[in-house]
Amino acid sequence: AQTVTQSQPEMSVQEAETVTLSCTYDTSENNYYLFWYKQPPSRQMILVIRQEAYKQQNATENRFSVNFQKAAKSFSLKISDSQLGDTAMYFCAYSNGNTGKLIFGQGTTLQVKP
Amino acid sequence: DTGVSQNPRHKITKRGQNVTFRCDPISEHNRLYWYRQTLGQGPEFLTYFQNEAQLEKSRLLSDRFSAERPKGSFSTLEIQRTEQGDSAMYLCASSLVRGEKLFFGSGTQLSVL
Repeated sequence: AQTVTQSQPEMSVQEAETVTLSCTYDTSENNYYLFWYKQPPSRQMILVIRQEAYKQQNATENRFSVNFQKAAKSFSLKISDSQLGDTAMYFCAYSNGNTGKLIFGQGTTLQVKP
Repeated sequence: DTGVSQNPRHKITKRGQNVTFRCDPISEHNRLYWYRQTLGQGPEFLTYFQNEAQLEKSRLLSDRFSAERPKGSFSTLEIQRTEQGDSAMYLCASSLVRGEKLFFGSGTQLSVL
């Protein structure tokens, strides 16, 4: 069975600084997708970034980028120029692309301090 | 595109009562998912529909839980004889193509007293 592990329950960063959230996963599949979702206090799940496993190039969305290490089964999220609005819980998620269902990690609570 | 809609937003019920939640996915999305999330934890998969067919059910979905998606449009999740352990946020999500992102609704927060 596939699993997703986020080993950092809580993190904090100063506004305008850079922070990296860690995620590891376990799968025997070769084709799959990885996601980072953000859940602010409103509890609305918002997609931050998506990575296709067959693509070697790391995905980037504005201030958000990933470091995808397929052999190590690692998928970290880097947030540059952190903003107060980035304060939220962040979830790493895996999809095998078959059913499309997501398997989520336990989450990392990120607080951006002014 | 009005997004994924879930009703009600909040539900308070007494232990032993039945409750039903509704999810309206984005209109052209044929895939629909239900998740359960307790505070401070990641969402846990419950079940998945492709059109009107329920293709996968988690072991978390006990006999007291049932989900339907008649005509492949909206979906309902019913919990019979609710227990305090059922208290959670129930999230619905939809997608068009496998591997693409899931669009989530705002969830239904259930409190069982």
